[in-house]
Amino acid sequence: DVVMTQSPESLVVSLGERATINCRSSQSVLNSGTGKNYVAWYQQRPGQPPRLLLYWASTRDFGVPERFSGSGSGTSFSLTISSLQAEDVALYFCQQYYFLPFSFGQGTKLDLK
Amino acid sequence: EEILVESGGGLVQPGGSLTLSCLGSRFIFSSYWMTWVRQVPGKGLEWVAAISEDGTKTYYLDSVRGRFSISRENANASVTLRLNSLRAGDTAIYYCARVFVDGSVYRPFDFWGQGALVTVTS
Repeated sequence: DVVMTQSPESLVVSLGERATINCRSSQSVLNSGTGKNYVAWYQQRPGQPPRLLLYWASTRDFGVPERFSGSGSGTSFSLTISSLQAEDVALYFCQQYYFLPFSFGQGTKLDLK
Repeated sequence: EEILVESGGGLVQPGGSLTLSCLGSRFIFSSYWMTWVRQVPGKGLEWVAAISEDGTKTYYLDSVRGRFSISRENANASVTLRLNSLRAGDTAIYYCARVFVDGSVYRPFDFWGQGALVTVTS
């Protein structure tokens, strides 16, 4: 099974500053034929279900602000929020959807300084 | 906007059973795989089970295989998770989510319900 490992576990950032969350998979989730990485990022605000932010490691879902971006390939990925807003305080999870069982990182709690 | 609504959560004793249901609307339910993901409140997400569009293929997390059973009724746009032989470690919020699968290409979980809390305690 693929293990997804996120870092850090928690992050405290000031309004307007950059936040970066990292995610590593225990094996490659890159389809070399298509060049697509089967990694998604989700945001979960308090009391809400998860919301899909990014897929294919770097494609924003509908309505996701441009300040959210994703990068990486193979086994190493990151989510960056370029200028933190108050509404970005949440838990963030990475996920691989290349292999069953689908698996998630343990989550990163993002708070405001 | 699409809607997924879970029901059936509650309090159950260890060894007991519970059935969770998820009703979908405002999308073509029969075009999607459906999955269940659980979360201990405030903690991480754990994928539990999935079912193909026509219900002929089912997949489970190893720790629930043989105890949980996923099924669907496309005519009613519903998916069900039957939880048997429950343990304290099964206590969590259970979310249903939809997944588009294009041939053998999986997609991410692009829409989630609000969740149903299952508490296993004596």
